[in-house]
Amino acid sequence: EVQLVQSGAEVKKPGESLKISCKGSGYSFMMYWIGWVRQMPGKGLEWMGIIYPGDSDTRYSPSFQGQVTISADKSINTAYLQWTSLKASDTAIYYCASGLRPFESGALGYWGQGTLVTVSS
Amino acid sequence: SYELTQPPSVSVSPGQTARITCSGDALPKTFACWYQQKSGQAPVLVIYEDSKRPSGIPERFSGSSSGTTATLTISGAQVEDEADYYCYSTDSSSNPIGVFGTGTKVTVL
Repeated sequence: EVQLVQSGAEVKKPGESLKISCKGSGYSFMMYWIGWVRQMPGKGLEWMGIIYPGDSDTRYSPSFQGQVTISADKSINTAYLQWTSLKASDTAIYYCASGLRPFESGALGYWGQGTLVTVSS
Repeated sequence: SYELTQPPSVSVSPGQTARITCSGDALPKTFACWYQQKSGQAPVLVIYEDSKRPSGIPERFSGSSSGTTATLTISGAQVEDEADYYCYSTDSSSNPIGVFGTGTKVTVL
């Protein structure tokens, strides 16, 4: 069974750094693209970026380029999303999701449970 | 940047058919997917590659695409289908930069 388990909720202050994680199991992690999706309170889904753990090929939405860093460690089947300097507007639920088929960056078929990030002074 | 436009809301009576549209200029050249998100839960893929249904998704969910519009149809809507629905696609067939639609709240009553 494919599972993506995300790290727990975080409460941070503006200006702090943060790295959240997404651990995959039940499939060949390095062969499936992993994407990150933001959902701000009461708002819709926003596609942030995607990484192929096999070679760390990473693509970003223009809206998030330079704002976050997506990475992956295929040796431990884990993808990451990180910030160097959080803002209050980063408060949101962040989901990771894996591709439906190996090598394909299309449909995100399997989703993590989400990580709530709260940024407040 | 590329955008996918959906109606904000759709209402349907139980047992009737709900149709949700998604408009985007690149849809003739790329695929569309649809996600269901119930309150407080992670999204669930209900349709991929315009019209394919993942295992475990009820047959009442179907998808189609023509020109610049993709459509999700819920035939015989159930109360448990009440949720937010998002279309998803990429801005080109060769570029994996994704985009979600604006979302549609489906009310079944």
